[in-house]
Amino acid sequence: DIQMTQSPSSLSASVGDRVTITCRASQGIGNDLGWYQQKPGKAPKRLIYGASSLQSGVPSRFSGSGSGTEFTLTISSLQPEDFATYYCLQQNSFSWTFGQGTKVEIK
Amino acid sequence: EVQLLESGGGLVQPGGSPRLSCAASGFTFSNYALHWVRQAPGKGLEWVSAISSNGGSTYYADSVKGRFTISRDNSKNTLYLQMNSLRAEDTAVYYCAFRGTRGGDYWGQGTLVTVSS
Repeated sequence: DIQMTQSPSSLSASVGDRVTITCRASQGIGNDLGWYQQKPGKAPKRLIYGASSLQSGVPSRFSGSGSGTEFTLTISSLQPEDFATYYCLQQNSFSWTFGQGTKVEIK
Repeated sequence: EVQLLESGGGLVQPGGSPRLSCAASGFTFSNYALHWVRQAPGKGLEWVSAISSNGGSTYYADSVKGRFTISRDNSKNTLYLQMNSLRAEDTAVYYCAFRGTRGGDYWGQGTLVTVSS
């Protein structure tokens, strides 16, 4: 099974900060990776698919990069509505794997 | 509009056997693989199970293998998760989800299963 290691598990940042979250896959998954944002009590919302494609309707301050085993989500200028938990998800096979999550909190 | 509506959650005793359903509409149900994902209170997302578009192949997380069974009825546009031998650690919100074409990504609103005596 493919394991996903996400870091950091949490971070504190201020509005306007640049934020980077990383996921590492235990084996190559090409670019079959998505990034999700989840707010309390809500279903996850996908921000990025195919490692770097922006989901329709998602602000351009969100970007993704990487392929193979190393992936990054970047928020270029953190906004108040971005304080949430973020997950990576590999969908390279029928058996999906989520990263452990990164909680982005207000500094 | 694509809609996924889960049902069947609630309070269940340890060892119980509820069946979750996910009623789908707004897309050609039989064309897509479907998944169950869960989230325990205060915890991260965990993939649970998947089924191929025709139901011929099924996949399970190790944590539920041998206890949960995924199935689908393409004539009723409904996905199921039969859960047996439930434990406290199975307490979670259960979501059905699928990956559509052209970047589509769809989730239900979730149904809460609470395992407690």
